[in-house]
Amino acid sequence: GAGVSQSPSNKVTEKGKDVELRCDPISGHTALYWYRQSLGQGLEFLIYFQGNSAPDKSGLPSDRFSAERTGGSVSTLTIQRTQQEDSAVYLCASSLVYQDYNEQFFGPGTRLTVL
Amino acid sequence: KNQVEQSPQSLIILEGKNCTLQCNYTVSPFSNLRWYKQDTGRGPVSLTIMTFSENTKSNGRYTATLDADTKQSSLHITASQLSDSASYICVVRRTNAGKSTFGDGTTLTVKP
Repeated sequence: GAGVSQSPSNKVTEKGKDVELRCDPISGHTALYWYRQSLGQGLEFLIYFQGNSAPDKSGLPSDRFSAERTGGSVSTLTIQRTQQEDSAVYLCASSLVYQDYNEQFFGPGTRLTVL
Repeated sequence: KNQVEQSPQSLIILEGKNCTLQCNYTVSPFSNLRWYKQDTGRGPVSLTIMTFSENTKSNGRYTATLDADTKQSSLHITASQLSDSASYICVVRRTNAGKSTFGDGTTLTVKP
């Protein structure tokens, strides 16, 4: 595709439910990143992938959060037993490779609301 | 304390006026600094990248400066337009493909 796409664009769920957020990176980009942006806050790094492996998961806030990437392309961020504090916009980005100067291209985000 | 501090937090200016946004960082060792523009409901888009040896870089009406000695950067917007209304985010990256550190952003509102 022309850019990074994410789905769904909006997700409303009840506390305790599991949710899956999807990211389709730019074709050919080997690096993929997940961020969380709470209302009025800066971006918070969650995890990045180089290919299908995740060398840095240090930003995942708890073991309820997990992510995978298959075929070096699509990635899924899963939040189990959602809590109200999980409400935020989840942004995905991709870059050609994971190097200092490579620009990250962001998707439009998924707005998650936990009731 | 965030390693990337931006000021002001928000700013309102009239269309046609200039403004300057500030970014101070403590991230080390420094690789590069990017300014992103994030429109409401959209993902951030890169405006410019500054490396250690660069002092000034322009992208249309946007001019970024970097003082690597004082660890300060600024983004100057000339002749502002309504479409400049957005959040401007400063992002600093460590060397050796280290993690990027994001500032909290400056929310700019341009009024007619």
